Amino acid sequence: DGGITQSPKYLFRKEGQNVTLSCEQNLNHDAMYWYRQDPGQGLRLIYYSQIVNDFQKGDIAEGYSVSREKKESFPLTVTSAQKNPTAFYLCASKQGLTEAFFGQGTRLTVV
Amino acid sequence: EDKVVQSPLSLVVHEGDTVTLNCSYEVTNFRSLLWYKQEKKAPTFLFMLTSSGIEKKSGRLSSILDKKELFSILNITATQTGDSAIYLCAVYNNAGNMLTFGGGTRLMVKP
Repeated sequence: DGGITQSPKYLFRKEGQNVTLSCEQNLNHDAMYWYRQDPGQGLRLIYYSQIVNDFQKGDIAEGYSVSREKKESFPLTVTSAQKNPTAFYLCASKQGLTEAFFGQGTRLTVV
Repeated sequence: EDKVVQSPLSLVVHEGDTVTLNCSYEVTNFRSLLWYKQEKKAPTFLFMLTSSGIEKKSGRLSSILDKKELFSILNITATQTGDSAIYLCAVYNNAGNMLTFGGGTRLMVKP
């Protein structure tokens, strides 16, 4: 089945640790996105990538990093510089001007 | 900076009621507006609107765009408990690379 797979579903991070969230798609989409969602709120854009080996910062990129070495993969690293990382993280992909498709999300909690 | 504002923030109705959700936007070089439904995790696509005044319809859901006044509405008639969700509005800029979301409207439909 074609789709977007995010892993893990739940992730716990200790203070000061870096963690990496995985996002893989087999839709052959060029563009991929990372969003953050806080309880009861909408989606805020962290980073996006239009093509392999290229990505741009979104509205809340501080404390996050990404890479796009392969078309199907767009991992997000939450670094220790992100002071309030507890949130729900959604990855999306799209092709051209069509709608974006979303993964099932990763819920990150700082313990 | 592109901006999308949704209202109301939340809404509680009873089964059978009709609801109207609002989305206004300020976007440099607007391209299209999208509506998504988010029940638990991944937002699912409902409509994409590009032309002003043309209603899109799917069952009990319909949506229309007003490009002059910079807003869209999503109507749900004869609501059911399964319509309970967060409804998200998003806009594409003309380049089609940035998808900016509003804060969402949380709809609860009581039996």
